Amino acid sequence: DVKVTQSSRYLVKRTGEKVFLECVQDMDHENMFWYRQDPGLGLRLIYFSYDVKMKEKGDIPEGYSVSREKKERFSLILESASTNQTSMYLCASRVGQHYGYTFGSGTRLTVV
Amino acid sequence: KQEVTQIPAALSVPEGENLVLNCSFTDSAIYNLQWFRQDPGKGLTSLLLIQSSQREQTSGRLNASLDKSSGRSTLYIAASQPGDSATYLCAVRPIRDDKIIFGKGTRLHILP
Repeated sequence: DVKVTQSSRYLVKRTGEKVFLECVQDMDHENMFWYRQDPGLGLRLIYFSYDVKMKEKGDIPEGYSVSREKKERFSLILESASTNQTSMYLCASRVGQHYGYTFGSGTRLTVV
Repeated sequence: KQEVTQIPAALSVPEGENLVLNCSFTDSAIYNLQWFRQDPGKGLTSLLLIQSSQREQTSGRLNASLDKSSGRSTLYIAASQPGDSATYLCAVRPIRDDKIIFGKGTRLHILP
């Protein structure tokens, strides 16, 4: 069965810290995505990547960056965490542009 | 701009009933539509993916239909069980944009 693994289920970080959220997929998928999910706002796309070393801004990239050095790994970086980045973060991958998405189990990040 | 709507936002039904969840979208130019399930505090689990050329997909007690011309999809759940309680989201992949668009979801509660 295909699998997208997010390294942490829960994280608590302090304001101003640099935070790394890791996502690994074992399906040789080309495309990977980072979303955040907030009550009343639904899922919002932060960044995505079509291939290794490639990255594209989504709808809300401010305050975030990403890294994709290997095909299977897509990291989301909060350069200086702020309380308004407290959220559920979801990673997803897909084979290619016309295929369905597979999501990870999510990381609940709290910034205090 | 593509918009995806799921009505109702919440639904409670007694165990054993068959039920239908609705998803509507404003632009019929889509590649596919995907239904997901999300348990509280967890990631999204893909249930069914319907390509634009298909009318329906089935998996176990679930059946999803797609009517592109009317901009509607339904998810039919047969013989509902308490374990079906979750939030169900639909997402469309527009032809004109590679970003999938999510509905806000229907929160389903199956009463034992």
